[in-house]
Amino acid sequence: TQLLEQSPQFLSIQEGENLTVYCNSSSVFSSLQWYRQEPGEGPVLLVTVVTGGEVKKLKRLTFQFGDARKDSSLHITAAQPGDTGLYLCAGLANSGYALNFGKGTSLLVTP
Amino acid sequence: GAVVSQHPSWVICKSGTSVKIECRSLDFQATTMFWYRQFPKQSLMLMATSNEGSKATYEQGVEKDKFLINHASLTLSTLTVTSAHPEDSSFYICSASKGLAGYTDTQYFGPGTRLTVL
Repeated sequence: TQLLEQSPQFLSIQEGENLTVYCNSSSVFSSLQWYRQEPGEGPVLLVTVVTGGEVKKLKRLTFQFGDARKDSSLHITAAQPGDTGLYLCAGLANSGYALNFGKGTSLLVTP
Repeated sequence: GAVVSQHPSWVICKSGTSVKIECRSLDFQATTMFWYRQFPKQSLMLMATSNEGSKATYEQGVEKDKFLINHASLTLSTLTVTSAHPEDSSFYICSASKGLAGYTDTQYFGPGTRLTVL
């Protein structure tokens, strides 16, 4: 199993603030995905990054894949209460199909 | 499109009983389905992968005789937790992809099933 470390584990901020969540590994992944999960629900795919150095934007969310394809970051600009949730990164190993999930970052955005 | 449902959404059972959880792809054919388990404040851990019509492939440490997986059709997979015990209480999530395991197809996740064993 290729481990993915996410930081921070918990983040509580006020509406309008910016934040960055990190996903790091010592292993190389063929692709990396970011999900958002709300309590009692399954994770919902936000984005998939494939190319080293790739940057993808989804409205106020910016995702970056490290050049070496070992790490990724998620930056949220002007956070809103609706962004509250558990953000999970998951890496697809070069060798197969299994998704290795990080433990997640629990984000709380208060009005 | 690509909606996955699970039933039931939550279940409470007595220790020693068996519980069946269904995972359905509603608007696509799921060649491959995955079963995950998520403990509180933990991440998703892959339990097993199943291709339609084939035996499931279990991850290391997952007892195949305890967690029976059946993928009888392209839209339905079931997970049966046999002789459940309190330590099996968890959030079980399935996902489905259109391609065969081994291909980098997107996995579409179900809403999860909360199992509580008393």
